Parts: sequence; C-alpha cells; structure tokens
Amino acid sequence: QVQLVQSGAEVKKPGASVKVSCKASGYTFTDYYIHWVRQAPGQGLEWIGWINPNSGGTKYAQKFQGRVTMTRDTSISTAYMELSRLRSDDTAVYYCARVPGSGETDYWGQGTLVTVSS
Amino acid sequence: DIQMTQSPSSLSASVGDRVTITCRASQGIRNDLGWYQQKPGKAPKRLIYAASSLQSGVPSRFSGSGSGTEFTLTISSLQPEDFATYYCLQHNSYPLTFGQGTKVEIK
Repeated sequence: QVQLVQSGAEVKKPGASVKVSCKASGYTFTDYYIHWVRQAPGQGLEWIGWINPNSGGTKYAQKFQGRVTMTRDTSISTAYMELSRLRSDDTAVYYCARVPGSGETDYWGQGTLVTVSS
Repeated sequence: DIQMTQSPSSLSASVGDRVTITCRASQGIRNDLGWYQQKPGKAPKRLIYAASSLQSGVPSRFSGSGSGTEFTLTISSLQPEDFATYYCLQHNSYPLTFGQGTKVEIK
C-alpha cells in the first residue's frame, strides 16, 4: 500500500534551518510529484511547493523563494524539504503529499511538527 | 495570486442536515479545484477533484459543483463522521491556494 512516512518533530531556534524527510513506499517514487503543505497551529493550509522526483525539478511559492529547498534521493525513495532562516511564524505542521491532478487517490504523510522558539 | 474566499468559516448542523459550503475564486480557474476534508490531528483527504468529480471511495452524499469563479461543496445528509474542517484548493495557477476552511460542528 502507498505510504508517505515523514521524519519526527523538530525544535529549532530562530535563524536556524530544518530539513524534513518524506519516505515513499508502495509505488514508483519517480512517477508522482511530491507537494509540501504546512499548517500553523489552529490555522489553515498553505502550499509551499512541489518537487518532481523524476527530474528533480521544483516549483516554490514566491513567499518561500530563497528560503526553501526541495530535493530528493531516488535511491531511497525519499523527498526532502529544507527551510532556512526560520522565524517563529514558521512554527507549523509540515505535510508531504502525493496529490495527482487526475482522480487518483491522494496520499499524505503523517505530518512533522516544526517548532521555532528561542 | 488567486484568492480563494470560502464561506462560511464555520457552521453548526445536525445529523441528517443538508450542508453547503462555497468557494469563490478571485479570477477564473476553470474547474481546477478540489475539496478536502481534515479531521483534528490528521492530514487532509481529497473528496472532490476537478470541481465535481467524486474521489473513489468517498460517499455519494458528497458532491461538488461550479466552474470559473464559484464553487460549491454539498453534503446531502450530514453524518457523524462528517464533522470536520473542509478546504477548497485551486490548482489553476501558482501558487496553489487554499480557502480559509469551513469548520462543520455538531449542533
């Protein structure tokens, strides 16, 4: 069965970086884009960007340009999202997701809580 | 950026009620819209894709309609497991943008 399993919770200081991983299983990793979405405590959903695991190509929301880097390691079917220069308002649950544009089922990771606090 | 204005932000309803949630896009997005359900502490799950197509495995009491700038999610007969927060998401242009969410609570 398709699964996306994310790395564990992180606590970071302002100005630091965090790298969240998303390990895919149950399908061919390079066949589907991986999106990253975040949700601040008690707030709505915010799209960060996607990575094409086949080519390594990326698309980021302008808001995160210059601070976010998405990469992948096809040998271990894992996608990564690194966010730098963290601020307190980056505190959120970060999700990876496989959300096909077609009617295929979407799959999401369990979420990774990133807390930014001094 | 395309703004997705979702209404209402919350509603109280009883089991068996018909519930309607609306999303309005700040510019035309054809039918490039999905509806998602999120329960507390869980990841979202897509219910509707392409504005009106029911995701496989999703109960038929959920339906979506609309095109262009006005979209609607309808739950024909609310069930206990439907109490959750619902979001629309447009994927017509970047950045992808979500509506603010509608929390459906028990009356």
